[in-house]
Amino acid sequence: QVQLVESGGGVVQPGGSLRLSCTASGFTFSSYAMHWVRQAPGKGLEWVAFIRYDGNNEYYADSVKGRFTISRDNSKNTLYLQMNSLRAEDTAVYYCARSLDFWGQGTLVTVSS
Amino acid sequence: QSALTQPPSASGSPGQSVTISCTGTSSDVGAYNYVSWYRQHPGKAPKLMIYEVSKRPSGVPDRFSGSKSGNTASLTVSGLQADDEADYYCSSYAGSNWVFGGGTKLTVL
Repeated sequence: QVQLVESGGGVVQPGGSLRLSCTASGFTFSSYAMHWVRQAPGKGLEWVAFIRYDGNNEYYADSVKGRFTISRDNSKNTLYLQMNSLRAEDTAVYYCARSLDFWGQGTLVTVSS
Repeated sequence: QSALTQPPSASGSPGQSVTISCTGTSSDVGAYNYVSWYRQHPGKAPKLMIYEVSKRPSGVPDRFSGSKSGNTASLTVSGLQADDEADYYCSSYAGSNWVFGGGTKLTVL
């Protein structure tokens, strides 16, 4: 069955960095575009970033452009999100999603001093 | 990259139908037939219920239907059941980015 498992979340100070991972199984990872979507506590969903199936195209939300980088390693069936210059408003559960049709359970990132 | 507009709440009794709207612009909902709807129970991941405006993924009952007119998309849930009580989000492709609605809390009375 399709599975997406996020990891790497935690508590980080403002200005710090964190790298999230999303390990995929149960489908041909290299054939699908992938997204990161986040949800601040008690708030709605916010699209963060997209990467094409082959890694050759990326798009970002204005709120994270220049600070976050999405990447993938198709040989390891893994999606990444490198987050730099983190701010309090980046605090959220971060979900990886396959073409926005199947979502992982999410990993919590808390930015706080 | 402005959020799509959804009503914050909706409600209906078991067996009834309820429709949730999702209003965007001519740059997102009005421009593309890539509107999706998600259901999210508390503490759980979103689940795709409708994609490409009106298509249902395998396993989603036909009680769920979607439509679009101009810049507004709609999700209709017929034959309301207790398990339908959840948050519902719309999303749309907007040309090199995606945008979500603010969410609608559906209460089954």
